[in-house]
Amino acid sequence: AQKITQTQPGMFVQEKEAVTLDCTYDTSDPSYGLFWYKQPSSGEMIFLIYQGSYDQQNATEGRYSLNFQKARKSANLVISASQLGDSAMYFCAKGLTGGGNKLTFGTGTQLKVEL
Amino acid sequence: KAGVTQTPRYLIKTRGQQVTLSCSPISGHRSVSWYQQTPGQGLQFLFEYFSETQRNKGNFPGRFSGRQFSNSRSEMNVSTLELGDSALYLCASSLGGTSNTEAFFGQGTRLTVV
Repeated sequence: AQKITQTQPGMFVQEKEAVTLDCTYDTSDPSYGLFWYKQPSSGEMIFLIYQGSYDQQNATEGRYSLNFQKARKSANLVISASQLGDSAMYFCAKGLTGGGNKLTFGTGTQLKVEL
Repeated sequence: KAGVTQTPRYLIKTRGQQVTLSCSPISGHRSVSWYQQTPGQGLQFLFEYFSETQRNKGNFPGRFSGRQFSNSRSEMNVSTLELGDSALYLCASSLGGTSNTEAFFGQGTRLTVV
């Protein structure tokens, strides 16, 4: 079975600092995609970044970057220059490639940005 | 470009009743997936519809069903509600091709069963 592991239930970071949220995954799929989402207390899941398993470079989207280490099966999210508005729950998810839209989620990391 | 719209945002139902939730995907997106989020089980995949056909299914009982219309809008139905069905139900919209590089979620429907 697919399993996504986020070992940090909660993290604190000071404003303007960088923070890394960990994610490891189990898979025997030859091809797959990795996603990160942000969920504020309002409940909406906000798409942050995507990494394909065959992508040669690590994905970046503004202040978000993904540290992808395929051999270690890890896909850590790096948020640079943290802002108070980054305080939220963050989920790592793995999707299928070629098999439709079905995501398996980790348990999430609650990030709190402090002044 | 409008995002994913879920209605209603909040629902309170009684045990034994049934409920229908609606999801309108982003224009041009043909895939709609549904997820249940609870504090105990986290985010779990229910099913995915693509071009009016169920393409993937999670491990939920038959009380949970769905459908998709020709305009890609999707509905999810839960019959004979149980207290444990109380959850945030999220739908995700994507293009649905063989290489899904993004999936956008709606704001969710928060269902409370009493």
